[in-house]
Amino acid sequence: EIVLTQSPGTLSLSPGERATLSCRASQSVNNGYLAWYQQKPGQAPRLLIYGASSGATGIPDRFSGSGSGTDFTLTISRLEPEDSAVYCCQQYGTPPITFGQGTRLEIK
Amino acid sequence: EVQLAESGGGLVQPGGSLRLSCAASGFTFNDYAMNWVRQAPGKGLEWVSAMSASGSGTDYADSVEGRFTISRDNSKNTLYLQMNSLRAEDTAVYYCVKDHSSWYGYYFDYWGQGTLVTVSS
Repeated sequence: EIVLTQSPGTLSLSPGERATLSCRASQSVNNGYLAWYQQKPGQAPRLLIYGASSGATGIPDRFSGSGSGTDFTLTISRLEPEDSAVYCCQQYGTPPITFGQGTRLEIK
Repeated sequence: EVQLAESGGGLVQPGGSLRLSCAASGFTFNDYAMNWVRQAPGKGLEWVSAMSASGSGTDYADSVEGRFTISRDNSKNTLYLQMNSLRAEDTAVYYCVKDHSSWYGYYFDYWGQGTLVTVSS
């Protein structure tokens, strides 16, 4: 199965700054089938990005995704306090579906 | 508004059984594949099982194959997960998750709030 490794483990930034989160796959993700989710404490995950770079419905354009092959990035521009959460990547290009372990984003 | 409401979680002894349910509303249930995804305490997400929109296709993670059975009743807009021979490592919050497509193996566009399953003596 494809192992997804996210970095950094924790990121601490201030409002208005830019966050760059990485997701690296152990082998190439077919067709760029990579999604990103946001999970706040006590809440269900929320889809942010699918197909590596397509924004989900209702997601602010501050959230953007990029990458291909084995290296993918989630960028959050102009951080807001409510962006504090765990961000997780998922590959669905090769079964079984797998998730990364998550990056915790703290807003100072 | 899409809503997915899980129920049926609780405390069960090792070797025991539990049946989870997920009541869906706000979309045409029989048009979409559905999944169960779990999250152990303090851990990441793990896909558990999937079923196609019609119910003709199913898939399981190796860790639950042969012990868990996914099913759905499209007349009741409900998804189920029958869990047998439960182990301590099955302890997790179990999420009911809507797939993007009628067949499984894609990204997940809506998640329920989850139900906690604790396997302990």
